[in-house]
Amino acid sequence: DAMVIQNPRYQVTQFGKPVTLSCSQTLNHNVMYWYQQKSSQAPKLLFHYYDKDFNNEADTPDNFQSRRPNTSFCFLDIRSPGLGDAAMYLCATSSRGGWSGYTFGSGTRLTVV
Amino acid sequence: KNEVEQSPQNLTAQEGEFITINCSYSVGISALHWLQQHPGGGIVSLFMLSSGKKKHGRLIATINIQEKHSSLHITASHPRDSAVYICAVRKVDSNYQLIWGAGTKLIIKP
Repeated sequence: DAMVIQNPRYQVTQFGKPVTLSCSQTLNHNVMYWYQQKSSQAPKLLFHYYDKDFNNEADTPDNFQSRRPNTSFCFLDIRSPGLGDAAMYLCATSSRGGWSGYTFGSGTRLTVV
Repeated sequence: KNEVEQSPQNLTAQEGEFITINCSYSVGISALHWLQQHPGGGIVSLFMLSSGKKKHGRLIATINIQEKHSSLHITASHPRDSAVYICAVRKVDSNYQLIWGAGTKLIIKP
């Protein structure tokens, strides 16, 4: 089945130690999104790629970076995780900006110790 | 005031009951999404609406563009329907940003 896969499902990292979360898709969607969701809150868009074009939300901290080496993969890099970065990170894809809906991955729950 | 409001915030019902969750929005939209999130899990897209009504299994979603209101209905509810249901809209002047409701936490008791 075509899907969006996030790895790992759970990630524990040390305060200040760089961490990378990955997302892959078999849908061939041209848009990929990274969301941050903290407990009992709505997901917050961090950035998205339209093909290779990177779009950063204005309030996304510089600590968060992203890479999209090809259509199928997108990575979220957190350069120096702080305790406040502990959250669920959701990857999503869409075709042509969402006109055909969005497909979400299962998320990666990040714990910072 | 939030641009997307959901009600109720929490809903507990008995198995078999008919469930209605409401969503009102105050902006012009190009599409409205209903999404489901189980505890600790990812998000599943249930419906995308721009007009009218859609049905999938026991789930029905309706939208009234003039009244800026949408409803999600669950018929013959089951404990496995227990989840958070989220309404999100895409504004007409935004290509990618979704405006999210706060979600409705639904618990179906056996």
